Order: sequence, then structure tokens, then C-alpha cells
Amino acid sequence: EAGVTQFPSHSVIEKGQTVTLRCDPISGHDNLYWYRRVMGKEIKFLLHFVKESKQDESGMPNNRFLAERTGGTYSTLKVQPAELEDSGVYFCASSRRRDSAKNIQYFGAGTRLSVL
Amino acid sequence: AQSVSQHNHHVILSEAASLELGCNYSYGGTVNLFWYVQYPGQHLQLLLKYFSGDPLVKGIKGFEAEFIKSKFSFNLRKPSVQWSDTAEYFCAVNRDDSSASKIIFGSGTRLSIRP
Repeated sequence: EAGVTQFPSHSVIEKGQTVTLRCDPISGHDNLYWYRRVMGKEIKFLLHFVKESKQDESGMPNNRFLAERTGGTYSTLKVQPAELEDSGVYFCASSRRRDSAKNIQYFGAGTRLSVL
Repeated sequence: AQSVSQHNHHVILSEAASLELGCNYSYGGTVNLFWYVQYPGQHLQLLLKYFSGDPLVKGIKGFEAEFIKSKFSFNLRKPSVQWSDTAEYFCAVNRDDSSASKIIFGSGTRLSIRP
């Protein structure tokens, strides 16, 4: 079974540019999560999809961040325009069961975003 | 709000030493508890979890953790570490509530093992 894959693994952009991160969850997993780790601090939750619907987007920092999961398969996270403080590692995770917190979330390797 | 506190930012040990990484969480309700590990250059992977039952849980690679509810703690232990245990370790919790499965992570503990 293929794991959670994220693309690109590393992105370097200039302040004001746009970047789109992609996450392919494990096949059959309804839940998809985005997290972010900034400057070696804790990994923080951004948002949670159940299939194509946003279940919880309480962690999204501001309206420069837009996440989509059209068709309930892969997801994209767009940052427009990027700011210096957006630099960090963006993790995606997926889990199978829809209605339980007793999910094991499987993580991708992350996308390291560097905004210069 | 929930939070997770990991006591040590960086731990350096020699091979064969015993390991204990501290973790405390704050939340008054029922929680699920996790330890994740990230080896250099690899993705985050689950080391062990506690959902219910025996508070002493065993994970992969000889790791174990004990949930002490009265202390809001979930410390990670290993009796004898190996060089290959060099990694970053994250304690994490989520509410045992189907509508709130997001995971709250601690800030991580970097473990360096001297060969």
C-alpha cells in the first residue's frame, strides 16, 4: 500500500509569490489533514477534510491560505501571496475511519517551504 | 485549550543507556495519546498509541510508554538505546471525540545517540 505522498519535497520562493503544495493520501482514506511546523516549534494543525468537505479549518492562519480537496482524493494547499513567516515544513496526513478520533494518522514526508 | 508539553528539547545519550522522555498534556476530558518519531530524512511515523485499557503500551523497536491519568503524563521509555534511535520524538494527543480528531503535538525532543 502506497503511503501519503507530498509534492514538492522542497520549494523555495520569493515573498509575494504563490506556491501550491499537493498531498495524495492513502487510497481509501476519507480523512485528510494538513499540519505545519514553523522554525522548529511544535507541529500545528491547519485543517481537516472528510472526503471533499472541510470538517475543521480552525488552524488556518489567514485568508492567504486556501486548501481544496476536489473529488475527495488529493488535496492542494495554496499560499498566495507568500510571506516570510510562512516558511516551514507542511505535513499532510490521512486516516481511514470517518467517525472516530481513534484514528491512526499516517503522515507524508512533508514539504519544506522557504520564503525568501 | 489542549496543549502538550515535552520536557526536553535535546537529549544526548550513549548507546545502551536507558531513555525516558517526558510528556504532559492539558485537557480534562478523555484523550487518545500518541508518540510519533521522525528519523533523519524520513516521514513522521507512529511509534505507539494509547486509546484505552492497559496504561502501559508497547510500541515498535522496543519502546514503551505509560499513561498516568492522575499526572496527565505519557512518558516514553526504552531500556537500552541504540545509535539507530537517533531521531526527533513527538508526543501528541487528540480528544476522544469523533468531531475533533485533530492531533495536538508537543514541540518535539531531539534524541542524539553517541556510538
